[in-house]
Amino acid sequence: EDKVVQSPLSLVVHEGDTVTLNCSYEVTNFRSLLWYKQEKKAPTFLFMLTSSGIEKKSGRLSSILDKKELSSILNITATQTGDSAIYLCAVEKINFGNEKLTFGTGTRLTIIP
Amino acid sequence: EAGVAQSPRYKIIEKRQSVAFWCNPISGHATLYWYQQILGQGPKLLIQFQNNGVVDDSQLPKDRFSAERLKGVDSTLKIQPAKLEDSAVYLCASSLVRQGVDGYTFGSGTRLTVV
Repeated sequence: EDKVVQSPLSLVVHEGDTVTLNCSYEVTNFRSLLWYKQEKKAPTFLFMLTSSGIEKKSGRLSSILDKKELSSILNITATQTGDSAIYLCAVEKINFGNEKLTFGTGTRLTIIP
Repeated sequence: EAGVAQSPRYKIIEKRQSVAFWCNPISGHATLYWYQQILGQGPKLLIQFQNNGVVDDSQLPKDRFSAERLKGVDSTLKIQPAKLEDSAVYLCASSLVRQGVDGYTFGSGTRLTVV
């Protein structure tokens, strides 16, 4: 059975701190790993990672995939209160045009001003 | 481009009642997904359509849940009869999967409360 595990489940830090969120997976026919930010209801896309060792960056957020360790990390530097959200990791399987996402339980990040 | 539309945004029903959710995907997206997200958990796939055919409904509780996607565009998800444990956010997503590009777009979801 496919499995995506995120840690920690929740994290509370002060504004300005740097955080690292973890995602590990056990999935057959891996295609990509995606990170989403969920503030209200709809998850919004952050990154898609397909190649090991290549960092993706967007402002203060960055992410990298390690296919050997079957894991990924999401870093947020100089955190702001607007970063408070649930961060979801999802893994996409190859399924010949019928790809789908399997999600982890998410990490709830709270930034204290 | 317009996003994935879902309605209603909120619904409160009593247990054993019926409820239906509607989703209109992004135009041209062949694949449509319904996810159930219980509070404190990640989204769980209920059913996946490719055009109007079901690709995966292995986690759909078929004794009470049903879904259809007539004409390969809009979709409805129905629960009959509802149980307390069905309280969740129901997310619809559609995709046009292209290598190296995220093609998944989520709707704002419907929050269902069963009392």
